[in-house]
Amino acid sequence: EDQVTQSPEALRLQEGESSSLNCSYTVSGLRGLFWYRQDPGKGPEFLFTLYSAGEEKEKERLKATLTKKESFLHITAPKPEDSATYLCAVDVGSQGNLIFGKGTKLSVKP
Amino acid sequence: DAGITQSPRYKITETGRQVTLMCHQTWSHSYMFWYRQDLGHGLRLIYYSAAADITDKGEVPDGYVVSRSKTENFPLTLESATRSQTSVYFCASSDGGTGAYEQYFGPGTRLTVT
Repeated sequence: EDQVTQSPEALRLQEGESSSLNCSYTVSGLRGLFWYRQDPGKGPEFLFTLYSAGEEKEKERLKATLTKKESFLHITAPKPEDSATYLCAVDVGSQGNLIFGKGTKLSVKP
Repeated sequence: DAGITQSPRYKITETGRQVTLMCHQTWSHSYMFWYRQDLGHGLRLIYYSAAADITDKGEVPDGYVVSRSKTENFPLTLESATRSQTSVYFCASSDGGTGAYEQYFGPGTRLTVT
Protein backbone atom coordinates (compact mmCIF):
# COMPACT_ATOMS: atom_id res chain seq x y z
CA GLU A 1 0.00 0.00 0.00
CA ASP A 2 1.30 3.45 -0.91
CA GLN A 3 2.03 5.51 2.17
CA VAL A 4 3.42 8.90 3.13
CA THR A 5 4.57 9.65 6.68
CA GLN A 6 5.67 13.05 7.92
CA SER A 7 7.64 13.76 11.07
CA PRO A 8 7.58 15.36 13.48
CA GLU A 9 3.87 16.12 13.80
CA ALA A 10 4.71 19.47 15.37
CA LEU A 11 7.90 21.48 15.65
CA ARG A 12 8.53 24.58 17.69
CA LEU A 13 11.58 26.67 16.83
CA GLN A 14 13.05 29.94 17.95
CA GLU A 15 13.55 32.53 15.26
CA GLY A 16 16.87 31.80 13.54
CA GLU A 17 17.01 28.17 14.73
CA SER A 18 17.44 26.01 11.63
CA SER A 19 15.88 22.55 11.38
CA SER A 20 14.48 19.94 9.00
CA LEU A 21 11.11 18.32 8.36
CA ASN A 22 10.96 14.74 7.15
CA CYS A 23 8.68 13.03 4.62
CA SER A 24 9.19 9.30 4.17
CA TYR A 25 7.30 7.35 1.54
CA THR A 26 6.67 3.81 0.43
CA VAL A 27 5.21 3.85 -3.05
CA SER A 28 5.33 1.53 -6.00
CA GLY A 29 6.34 4.09 -8.56
CA LEU A 30 7.15 7.68 -7.66
CA ARG A 31 6.47 10.21 -10.40
CA GLY A 32 6.86 13.30 -8.29
CA LEU A 33 7.04 14.49 -4.70
CA PHE A 34 5.42 17.78 -3.76
CA TRP A 35 5.78 20.13 -0.81
CA TYR A 36 2.97 22.48 0.13
CA ARG A 37 2.53 25.11 2.81
CA GLN A 38 -0.86 25.55 4.46
CA ASP A 39 -1.82 28.50 6.64
CA PRO A 40 -4.79 28.22 9.02
CA GLY A 41 -8.10 28.57 7.21
CA LYS A 42 -6.50 28.50 3.76
CA GLY A 43 -5.84 26.02 0.99
CA PRO A 44 -2.42 24.42 0.49
CA GLU A 45 0.06 26.60 -1.36
CA PHE A 46 2.50 24.89 -3.74
CA LEU A 47 6.20 25.13 -2.85
CA PHE A 48 8.28 22.52 -4.70
CA THR A 49 8.21 19.49 -6.95
CA LEU A 50 11.03 16.91 -6.84
CA TYR A 51 11.30 14.10 -9.37
CA SER A 52 14.40 12.03 -8.75
CA ALA A 53 16.79 11.08 -5.97
CA GLY A 54 19.51 13.66 -5.47
CA GLU A 55 17.41 16.55 -6.67
CA GLU A 56 17.32 19.75 -4.61
CA LYS A 57 15.25 22.93 -4.88
CA GLU A 58 15.43 26.16 -2.93
CA LYS A 59 13.14 29.07 -2.26
CA GLU A 60 14.16 31.79 0.18
CA ARG A 61 14.80 30.03 3.53
CA LEU A 62 13.47 26.67 2.34
CA LYS A 63 15.39 23.88 0.66
CA ALA A 64 13.85 20.57 -0.36
CA THR A 65 15.86 17.42 -1.02
CA LEU A 66 14.92 13.94 -2.20
CA THR A 67 16.34 10.46 -1.69
CA LYS A 68 14.92 7.12 -2.79
CA LYS A 69 12.88 6.76 0.40
CA GLU A 70 12.41 10.22 1.86
CA SER A 71 12.44 13.94 1.37
CA PHE A 72 13.59 16.69 3.69
CA LEU A 73 12.44 20.27 3.91
CA HIS A 74 15.28 22.25 5.45
CA ILE A 75 14.42 25.61 7.00
CA THR A 76 17.38 27.93 7.47
CA ALA A 77 17.16 30.77 10.00
CA PRO A 78 13.34 30.66 10.13
CA LYS A 79 11.20 33.70 10.82
CA PRO A 80 7.80 33.84 12.55
CA GLU A 81 6.12 34.21 9.15
CA ASP A 82 7.36 30.70 8.27
CA SER A 83 4.91 29.33 10.83
CA ALA A 84 2.46 27.06 9.00
CA THR A 85 1.66 23.42 8.38
CA TYR A 86 3.91 21.87 5.75
CA LEU A 87 2.43 19.06 3.68
CA CYS A 88 4.21 16.46 1.63
CA ALA A 89 2.48 14.58 -1.19
CA VAL A 90 3.52 11.95 -3.70
CA ASP A 91 2.22 11.29 -7.18
CA VAL A 92 2.27 7.60 -7.97
CA GLY A 93 1.18 8.08 -11.53
CA SER A 94 -2.52 7.26 -11.35
CA GLN A 95 -4.05 10.21 -13.21
CA GLY A 96 -2.19 12.70 -11.09
CA ASN A 97 -3.71 11.52 -7.84
CA LEU A 98 -1.70 12.69 -4.87
CA ILE A 99 -1.24 10.84 -1.60
CA PHE A 100 -0.73 13.35 1.20
CA GLY A 101 1.03 13.01 4.50
CA LYS A 102 -0.66 14.40 7.61
CA GLY A 103 1.67 17.36 7.76
CA THR A 104 4.11 18.99 10.17
CA LYS A 105 2.88 22.01 12.07
CA LEU A 106 5.76 24.47 12.40
CA SER A 107 5.72 27.29 14.94
CA VAL A 108 8.51 29.85 14.94
CA LYS A 109 8.68 32.09 17.99
CA PRO A 110 10.37 35.51 17.90
CA ASP B 1 -9.35 37.61 -10.95
CA ALA B 2 -7.53 34.55 -12.20
CA GLY B 3 -7.34 31.53 -9.95
CA ILE B 4 -9.51 28.95 -8.32
CA THR B 5 -12.53 29.86 -6.22
CA GLN B 6 -14.91 27.88 -4.06
CA SER B 7 -18.38 28.68 -2.80
CA PRO B 8 -19.78 28.82 -0.28
CA ARG B 9 -16.86 29.27 2.10
CA TYR B 10 -18.94 28.09 5.06
CA LYS B 11 -22.05 25.94 5.11
CA ILE B 12 -24.17 24.44 7.86
CA THR B 13 -26.75 21.87 6.84
CA GLU B 14 -28.89 19.18 8.40
CA THR B 15 -28.53 15.43 8.07
CA GLY B 16 -30.30 14.12 4.98
CA ARG B 17 -30.23 17.36 2.99
CA GLN B 18 -28.62 17.71 -0.40
CA VAL B 19 -25.67 20.11 -0.58
CA THR B 20 -23.65 21.28 -3.57
CA LEU B 21 -20.20 22.79 -3.25
CA MET B 22 -19.00 24.85 -6.18
CA CYS B 23 -15.53 25.11 -7.69
CA HIS B 24 -14.46 27.41 -10.51
CA GLN B 25 -11.03 27.89 -12.09
CA THR B 26 -9.91 30.44 -14.65
CA TRP B 27 -6.68 28.78 -15.84
CA SER B 28 -8.36 26.37 -18.28
CA HIS B 29 -6.63 23.51 -16.47
CA SER B 30 -7.68 20.11 -17.77
CA TYR B 31 -7.59 18.31 -14.41
CA MET B 32 -9.68 19.13 -11.37
CA PHE B 33 -9.85 17.43 -8.00
CA TRP B 34 -11.94 17.36 -4.82
CA TYR B 35 -10.34 16.59 -1.47
CA ARG B 36 -11.57 16.52 2.08
CA GLN B 37 -9.34 17.39 5.02
CA ASP B 38 -9.99 15.96 8.46
CA LEU B 39 -7.93 15.97 11.64
CA GLY B 40 -5.94 12.77 11.84
CA HIS B 41 -6.39 11.91 8.17
CA GLY B 42 -4.86 14.69 6.18
CA LEU B 43 -6.08 15.39 2.68
CA ARG B 44 -7.96 12.58 0.95
CA LEU B 45 -9.09 12.51 -2.66
CA ILE B 46 -12.84 12.22 -3.25
CA TYR B 47 -13.20 12.53 -7.04
CA TYR B 48 -11.17 13.87 -9.92
CA SER B 49 -11.77 14.84 -13.51
CA ALA B 50 -9.35 14.67 -16.43
CA ALA B 51 -11.52 16.80 -18.73
CA ALA B 52 -15.10 17.89 -19.27
CA ASP B 53 -17.46 14.90 -18.99
CA ILE B 54 -14.66 12.64 -17.66
CA THR B 55 -14.71 11.89 -13.94
CA ASP B 56 -13.39 9.13 -11.72
CA LYS B 57 -13.42 8.05 -8.11
CA GLY B 58 -10.68 8.76 -5.62
CA GLU B 59 -10.02 7.24 -2.22
CA VAL B 60 -13.27 8.24 -0.45
CA PRO B 61 -16.09 8.67 -3.04
CA ASP B 62 -19.05 7.18 -1.17
CA GLY B 63 -21.90 9.63 -0.60
CA TYR B 64 -20.62 12.14 -3.16
CA VAL B 65 -21.51 12.91 -6.76
CA VAL B 66 -19.60 15.08 -9.24
CA SER B 67 -20.17 16.42 -12.71
CA ARG B 68 -18.13 18.45 -15.15
CA SER B 69 -20.04 19.87 -18.06
CA LYS B 70 -17.62 22.79 -18.52
CA THR B 71 -13.85 22.78 -18.17
CA GLU B 72 -13.85 25.57 -15.59
CA ASN B 73 -16.47 24.18 -13.19
CA PHE B 74 -16.42 21.08 -11.02
CA PRO B 75 -19.30 20.93 -8.51
CA LEU B 76 -19.40 18.39 -5.71
CA THR B 77 -22.81 17.22 -4.45
CA LEU B 78 -23.60 15.46 -1.20
CA GLU B 79 -26.88 13.78 -2.09
CA SER B 80 -27.96 13.08 1.49
CA ALA B 81 -25.55 14.66 3.95
CA THR B 82 -24.37 12.71 6.99
CA ARG B 83 -22.51 13.90 10.09
CA SER B 84 -19.43 11.98 8.95
CA GLN B 85 -19.24 14.36 5.97
CA THR B 86 -18.52 17.29 8.26
CA SER B 87 -15.14 18.40 6.98
CA VAL B 88 -13.20 21.03 5.09
CA TYR B 89 -13.43 20.50 1.34
CA PHE B 90 -10.76 21.67 -1.08
CA CYS B 91 -10.93 21.87 -4.83
CA ALA B 92 -7.73 21.80 -6.86
CA SER B 93 -6.72 22.00 -10.49
CA SER B 94 -3.66 21.16 -12.57
CA ASP B 95 -2.55 21.36 -16.15
CA GLY B 96 -1.85 17.65 -16.46
CA GLY B 97 -2.32 14.26 -14.85
CA THR B 98 1.21 13.17 -14.06
CA GLY B 99 3.88 14.10 -11.56
CA ALA B 100 5.08 16.85 -13.84
CA TYR B 101 2.15 19.07 -12.94
CA GLU B 102 1.55 20.62 -9.56
CA GLN B 103 -1.96 21.06 -8.23
CA TYR B 104 -3.28 24.46 -7.19
CA PHE B 105 -5.82 24.60 -4.40
CA GLY B 106 -8.81 26.76 -3.70
CA PRO B 107 -9.50 28.40 -0.31
CA GLY B 108 -11.77 25.60 0.91
CA THR B 109 -15.36 25.17 2.07
CA ARG B 110 -15.97 24.37 5.72
CA LEU B 111 -19.08 22.15 5.88
CA THR B 112 -20.87 21.26 9.09
CA VAL B 113 -23.64 18.65 9.05
CA THR B 114 -25.85 18.76 12.14
